[in-house]
Amino acid sequence: DARVTQTPRHKVTEMGQEVTMRCQPILGHNTVFWYRQTMMQGLELLAYFRNRAPLDDSGMPKDRFSAEMPDATLATLKIQPSEPRDSAVYFCASGFLKGEQYFGPGTRLTVT
Amino acid sequence: AQSVTQLDSQVPVFEEAPVELRCNYSSSVSVYLFWYVQYPNQGLQLLLKYLSGSTLVKGINGFEAEFNKSQTSFHLRKPSVHISDTAEYFCAVIPDTGRRALTFGSGTRLQVQP
Repeated sequence: DARVTQTPRHKVTEMGQEVTMRCQPILGHNTVFWYRQTMMQGLELLAYFRNRAPLDDSGMPKDRFSAEMPDATLATLKIQPSEPRDSAVYFCASGFLKGEQYFGPGTRLTVT
Repeated sequence: AQSVTQLDSQVPVFEEAPVELRCNYSSSVSVYLFWYVQYPNQGLQLLLKYLSGSTLVKGINGFEAEFNKSQTSFHLRKPSVHISDTAEYFCAVIPDTGRRALTFGSGTRLQVQP
């Protein structure tokens, strides 16, 4: 049963620290998405990649967030420096541009 | 740009009763439509999708949805709910051209009571 995996599942850090979240997409999927979920904003897209190339990162604060796909089995989302307003659940999803997306379990980030 | 409206933030219902969760969308281009379910502290799971063809689509766990293009709606239905259906349900759309990312509604919390 192929699944998207994310690590860590939970992260508590202090303001100003660097945070790195990792995602392993389902093998064979050519598109990877990063979403953020908060009570106030709901689910919002941060960035997505196709065939490891960034296609859209317009939803991401450029000054502190960065997303990469060093290889087809790993996607990373980095926040540096982190701020309390970054506290949220971050989801990775993989799939294809035309079809459904399969979500990982999420990383719950708390920045104090 | 697309937008998705889920009119009901919460829907309480008794076990074995039917339920309908409403979803309306707005888009200047054609879209594909999806319903996802999120159980507490979990990721989103695809319930069903409409890409083309028959406007009535069936998904997992006994759910179905009907695409109505004239009313720009994609309401989710289940004839008889179970306690285990208690969760948050999200309607989402993706355009068939342009920025190919899901736009989600604000979610509807389905609370099934015994």
